[in-house]
Amino acid sequence: GAGVSQSPRYKVAKRGQDVALRCDPISGHVSLFWYQQALGQGPEFLTYFQNEAQLDKSGLPSDRFFAERPEGSVSTLKIQRTQQEDSAVYLCASTPRGGGTYEQYFGPGTRLTVT
Amino acid sequence: SQQGEEDPQALSIQEGENATMNCSYKTSINNLQWYRQNSGRGLVHLILIRSNEREKHSGRLRVTLDTSKKSSSLLITASRAADTASYFCATALNSGNTPLVFGKGTRLSVIA
Repeated sequence: GAGVSQSPRYKVAKRGQDVALRCDPISGHVSLFWYQQALGQGPEFLTYFQNEAQLDKSGLPSDRFFAERPEGSVSTLKIQRTQQEDSAVYLCASTPRGGGTYEQYFGPGTRLTVT
Repeated sequence: SQQGEEDPQALSIQEGENATMNCSYKTSINNLQWYRQNSGRGLVHLILIRSNEREKHSGRLRVTLDTSKKSSSLLITASRAADTASYFCATALNSGNTPLVFGKGTRLSVIA
């Protein structure tokens, strides 16, 4: 079956522009996570949804970052007034159910470059 | 912040040799997972070990977990050129769908 997909794969934004990154999780997966991966580093947690509810947004670095999942499937991560330090790969992951211990299924990521 | 620290940061071996990567973490965990990331791609789950387990095998992979030392190791036996990738350990502090806390990774190069 189809895995997690993300679009666009690459995004170049001028500093100050707003961007929107999309994640399509595996169909039926309840939980969805966003991570930010800087060059040469491991991914860092941004935010987490269970269905449409955003249960944890403690990793969002500033109020310029906003995520939503209005119908409990597709999610969008929006970054307003992008800054150069926002340049990174943004990874989305999903898991099948709300409880238990599961591996996370990752998408290919969106590489954001802010110039 | 990143909880895990992988060691070494980079490792280069010949095809057929074994590769061992280590991970240390700071807080109590529910489980620890290893992921592989090929250049420019997303992460692929390799293996999950729970805090009450000490060793787990999957194909050419062997993972150990020592909760008293807060450390884990990943052994890849009979390495292949296709194993060239970055390897990350990730800890889950709780059961359920909890965010993963990743280390900085080990860059493995397997030379044919």
